[in-house]
Amino acid sequence: GDSVTQMEGPVTLSEEAFLTINCTYTATGYPSLFWYVQYPGEGLQLLLKATKADDKGSNKGFEATYRKETTSFHLEKGSVQVSDSAVYFCALSADSNYQLIWGAGTKLIIKP
Amino acid sequence: KAGVTQTPRYLIKTRGQQVTLSCSPISGHRSVSWYQQTPGQGLQFLFEYFSETQRNKGNFPGRFSGRQFSNSRSEMNVSTLELGDSALYLCASKPLAGVSTDTQYFGPGTRLTVL
Repeated sequence: GDSVTQMEGPVTLSEEAFLTINCTYTATGYPSLFWYVQYPGEGLQLLLKATKADDKGSNKGFEATYRKETTSFHLEKGSVQVSDSAVYFCALSADSNYQLIWGAGTKLIIKP
Repeated sequence: KAGVTQTPRYLIKTRGQQVTLSCSPISGHRSVSWYQQTPGQGLQFLFEYFSETQRNKGNFPGRFSGRQFSNSRSEMNVSTLELGDSALYLCASKPLAGVSTDTQYFGPGTRLTVL
């Protein structure tokens, strides 16, 4: 079945460091790919998405490119801030059932 | 436009009891999905409702049920609560069902603790 694999956390970085959180997926067909972020004590917020191969989603300095050849959707940011500390979830939605299939989440800790 | 709202935000119940959680989607959104989030299992899909009909169901026992009303508001019910049902229950809405490219918008969740 469809699945999403994320790098395990926590990931600890210093402020202004470069961030990469790896995400790979397994799915039949052409899923849509999403990154959601969850701040402490809150629900999930969409960070960015891409709906077809080679699309790049971007928001708040974060970027991810839909790579069908490597079945990946890695999240990147050039310079992280303390306020980026949160849990990041990679997810896919496929035409087989339209529900979101989630990765395990990666906790990001940014130190000043 | 108001976001997805969920009530109550926190609940404490004892084993064997039942509980009902409520979700009001974004105005104009007709699809409502429910997810369970736990530290051990992560995020898992419970079910999706569209136009008062359950369209899709995850792999949960029959103790978990839901419904949707004509105004798209949704409720989920858990009967005969078990300790393992302690979780954050998240509701998400989107305009239509059957469109994998649509973004789901999430509410803040209901934190259920079963003692």
